[in-house]
Amino acid sequence: AQSVTQLGSHVSVSEGALVLLRCNYSSSVPPYLFWYVQYPNQGLQLLLKYTSAATLVKGINGFEAEFKKSETSFHLTKPSAHMSDAAEYFCAVRGGGTSYGKLTFGQGTILTVHP
Amino acid sequence: ETGVTQSPTHLIKTRGQQVTLRCSSQSGHNTVSWYQQALGQGPQFIFQYYREEENGRGNFPPRFSGLQFPNYSSELNVNALELDDSALYLCASSLYGARGTDTQYFGPGTRLTVL
Repeated sequence: AQSVTQLGSHVSVSEGALVLLRCNYSSSVPPYLFWYVQYPNQGLQLLLKYTSAATLVKGINGFEAEFKKSETSFHLTKPSAHMSDAAEYFCAVRGGGTSYGKLTFGQGTILTVHP
Repeated sequence: ETGVTQSPTHLIKTRGQQVTLRCSSQSGHNTVSWYQQALGQGPQFIFQYYREEENGRGNFPPRFSGLQFPNYSSELNVNALELDDSALYLCASSLYGARGTDTQYFGPGTRLTVL
């Protein structure tokens, strides 16, 4: 079975500051991991994904995430926050076997960016 | 390239009624997954369809059913609506079996309100 825990339901940063959104996963198979962003009243947009290649994954809009197997983590970072980054962010793990197509999501982290 | 589209955008129903939500896959994709996102929570996997058959199901009762058509579009049907069915319903399409490329891309969602 797979599960995802996002630490911190709300994160607030100043514009230009480092963004760090935490995600820990549990998976019975080698994980495929994803970060999605959701703007108000919209669907989910893929930011980046880990598929067992490079452990440091670069995504869109300057975001990146590092897969750390020893820590079962996949934290999302961005060196310098922009006002347009304000949104809700979801970490997800994809299942294996009979749950191949199932994405299991965390509860989400709302990012607020202050001027 | 056409992205994932969903209709309708918003829907209001009363308890006990039935509802049908529709989804058109992204061009070139052959798999559709449906998720329910209650307010303030992460999306929950309902089921996935591949080659017009259900290919995995989450913890949802049988009154949640679906169809996939030869053109890979899909419907989600919910019978005997309950108040707790009020949520954002998200459809995601992907290319099944293509390792590393079977990423799920989401539509904008249908907001269902049950009164």
